[in-house]
Amino acid sequence: GNSVTQMEGPVTLSEEAFLTINCTYTATGYPSLFWYVQYPGEGLQLLLKATKADDKGSNKGFEATYRKETTSFHLEKGSVQVSDSAVYFCALSSGSSASKIIFGSGTRLSIRP
Amino acid sequence: DGGITQSPKYLFRKEGQNVTLSCEQNLNHDAMYWYRQDPGQGLRLIYYSQIVNDFQKGDIAEGYSVSREKKESFPLTVTSAQKNPTAFYLCASRQGPESPLHFGNGTRLTVT
Repeated sequence: GNSVTQMEGPVTLSEEAFLTINCTYTATGYPSLFWYVQYPGEGLQLLLKATKADDKGSNKGFEATYRKETTSFHLEKGSVQVSDSAVYFCALSSGSSASKIIFGSGTRLSIRP
Repeated sequence: DGGITQSPKYLFRKEGQNVTLSCEQNLNHDAMYWYRQDPGQGLRLIYYSQIVNDFQKGDIAEGYSVSREKKESFPLTVTSAQKNPTAFYLCASRQGPESPLHFGNGTRLTVT
């Protein structure tokens, strides 16, 4: 079945550091891939998405490229800020199970001033 | 502004009581979802509905029930059969299979 695996947290970085959060997936067909962000006490917000191979999603300085050859969708940001502290979820939606969205377990990110 | 409204934000119940969580959307989305989130864990799907008057069980449906009588509403009932009901519950909706989910701000349920 479909699944999403993302790196364990928590991840702690200093402000202005480079961020990578790894995400790999298993899916039949050609899934759509998403990154969501959750701030404390809130629901999830869509951060970015990609719907086909080699697409790059980007938003608020974050980027992720849909890599079909490595079944990956790693999240990157060149210079993180304290306000980026949150939990990040990788997710996919695929094929005959497109009605169900599969989420990774989430990665907690903390940024030190 | 369109969005998803979950109410209340915090809910407290005694063990053995059923409780219903509200979810309303004005996005005109066909599909709606209920997820459960436990501390330090990801989201687990409870129920989902792709159209009015139809819904399917997710991965952890036992002890929960839903209804979808109107397009904009998808209430979740946590019954006394749910063994560990204390959790953060998230409602979401989306327009189609490749569309992203839109989430409400959640209801934190505490059962003592």
